[in-house]
Amino acid sequence: SAVISQKPSRDICQRGTSLTIQCQVDSQVTMMFWYRQQPGQSLTLIATANQGSEATYESGFVIDKFPISRPNLTFSTLTVSNMSPEDSSIYLCSVEDYASPTFGSGTRLTVV
Amino acid sequence: SQQGEEDPQALSIQEGENATMNCSYKTSINNLQWYRQNSGRGLVHLILIRSNEREKHSGRLRVTLDTSKKSSSLLITASRAADTASYFCATDNFNKFYFGSGTKLNVKP
Repeated sequence: SAVISQKPSRDICQRGTSLTIQCQVDSQVTMMFWYRQQPGQSLTLIATANQGSEATYESGFVIDKFPISRPNLTFSTLTVSNMSPEDSSIYLCSVEDYASPTFGSGTRLTVV
Repeated sequence: SQQGEEDPQALSIQEGENATMNCSYKTSINNLQWYRQNSGRGLVHLILIRSNEREKHSGRLRVTLDTSKKSSSLLITASRAADTASYFCATDNFNKFYFGSGTKLNVKP
């Protein structure tokens, strides 16, 4: 199965700043996904990132707040922009892997 | 949640007892999967059941799927303290995966 490296694993950021999270896969994949898990909550899909096209965002998420890059078939970034304490969450990338998504280890973000 | 609800939200049982968790979803699906998450750590894939299957077993896990009711259940038999975790169902719809709200299972030794 695919192996995903996600970094940073955790960060503490000041409100108003931005953080870029990187996701590297050890094989080429068509689709990559970004999720958010707020404290004590389930995972919520933020967007789908396809190489060569703009990301597709789910309801409630916008590109200005969560810009995504997908420069090639093994890499993607998610930026959390103009952060507020409400953005404190775990952010995970995933790829589809033989019909089951494989997840990165997540980025635990705390905004102070 | 984006997809549906799981119940119960929390479940506390004694070691050796069986634990049953239920998941409801909203849209048609290709398959449904169950995941476990220990204390905010990474997700572990447990089992996948396809939309044309009704029941599937894997070790102490038994999953059922009722597409007419848009629901699934996960049964963990002979539970162990190490089974303490949050359990999520996830459905795929056009390659997007949506997660249920999760059940927090506590297995007391």
